[in-house]
Amino acid sequence: SSELTQPPSVSVSPGQTARITCSGNSLAQQYAYWYQQKPGQAPLLVIYKDSERPSGIAERFSGSSSGTTVTLTISGVQAEDEGDYYCQSGDSSGTYVIFGGGTKLTVL
Amino acid sequence: QLQLQESGPGLVKPSETLSLTCTVSGGSINSNNYYWDWIRQPPGKGLEWIGSIYYSGSTYYNSSLKSRVTISVDTSKNQFSLKLTSVTAADTAVYFCARRLVARAGISYFQQWGQGTLVIVSS
Repeated sequence: SSELTQPPSVSVSPGQTARITCSGNSLAQQYAYWYQQKPGQAPLLVIYKDSERPSGIAERFSGSSSGTTVTLTISGVQAEDEGDYYCQSGDSSGTYVIFGGGTKLTVL
Repeated sequence: QLQLQESGPGLVKPSETLSLTCTVSGGSINSNNYYWDWIRQPPGKGLEWIGSIYYSGSTYYNSSLKSRVTISVDTSKNQFSLKLTSVTAADTAVYFCARRLVARAGISYFQQWGQGTLVIVSS
């Protein structure tokens, strides 16, 4: 079965750049998606198709892909960006879904 | 704007069946290219995909839960439902329903989520 691996935590100071990685064999063939989740809330899509940003998502959020690793980059991190971030992918037919274990972003 | 709302018991006894319903408003469940999914999140832990259903009735389940899970759809009520049998404390979690877009080239991601409902398994 496919797995997606994320670092458990990332810490940055306000204004710095945060990078969260997600690794998995399926990412070489399938797109990755990123969700932000704040306590008590449902996840919110922040990046789709590896690097596309949904309407309404701040420009400081960006995504990239290289081989079996995708990266979510948050430039000029703000306190409001603190939360958990999950990567997600699936199979080629779109019928199965897998999530990474999640990364807790702490803004120091 | 499409909204999803989970409903069902917040407390289930061990060995019994967990049953939840997701009511979709502001849009039709009879939509091409959208799957209707259940995802759960144990307290303090990550997201786990449970499974999904297409409006036609086709279902897809996480292999780790497949033997205990049934997802069904009622297009007349614009609802879809989750049943999880033989629950244990490990099934205690916030359960989310969500709409997932599936398109060409393997595009597949969650566009809208319900607020989630906490289900505790305890006697």
